[in-house]
Amino acid sequence: QSALTQPRSVSGSPGQSVTISCTGTSSDVGGYNYVSWYQQDPGKAPKLMIYDVSKRPSGVPDRFSASKSGNTASLTISGLQAEDEGDYYCCSYAGTYTWVFGTGTQVTVL
Amino acid sequence: EVQLVESGGGLVQPGGSLRLSCAASGFTFSSYDMSWVRQAPGKGLEWVSGISDSGGSTYYADSVKGRFTISRDNSKNTLHLQMNSLRAEDTAIYFCAKVLRHFDYWGQGTLVTVSS
Repeated sequence: QSALTQPRSVSGSPGQSVTISCTGTSSDVGGYNYVSWYQQDPGKAPKLMIYDVSKRPSGVPDRFSASKSGNTASLTISGLQAEDEGDYYCCSYAGTYTWVFGTGTQVTVL
Repeated sequence: EVQLVESGGGLVQPGGSLRLSCAASGFTFSSYDMSWVRQAPGKGLEWVSGISDSGGSTYYADSVKGRFTISRDNSKNTLHLQMNSLRAEDTAIYFCAKVLRHFDYWGQGTLVTVSS
């Protein structure tokens, strides 16, 4: 399984929106509605932000939204805040109890 | 409150072995699948291995198949990862994670360094 493809970095000013893409194949992103997104601060464990393509766990702000079209999933952060800085990883179920993560995207708030 | 606490990491020579543990609390451990995910220094996340709630089914990434063994002790709420024939490329922080069709809770990780 090859890693899902994400942009290396995205940036935006406070209040702006940024979108992170996550491209896989029909064997992972395109084949299952089990795409999840994780935020990771340096030296910390990843934190679940989105699951099942577009669902937010309790406690995750509604400025985080996500969707999927074909083999590409997307995470949008609206109303960007300084605390949103960090690394973001997508992840897709890939069948037979395996998962594949994305390459990771660094989000910078200018 | 769900808590996952890994232990057992350290420095090991290439070809050596190490056993990681993950102590779980705050949820009914025996009702959930569990996984190990690793992150090499400065790199991204990689799913390594998973185990069903009963322990009856186990799964591995191709990169560790035949070298790593995942197990669990539901009586002690503990997850394990036995790592044999370790290679330099296995150097990483190893996280245990509670599994649904995603990873909803993670431990803080334990560092494994494979070096001579």
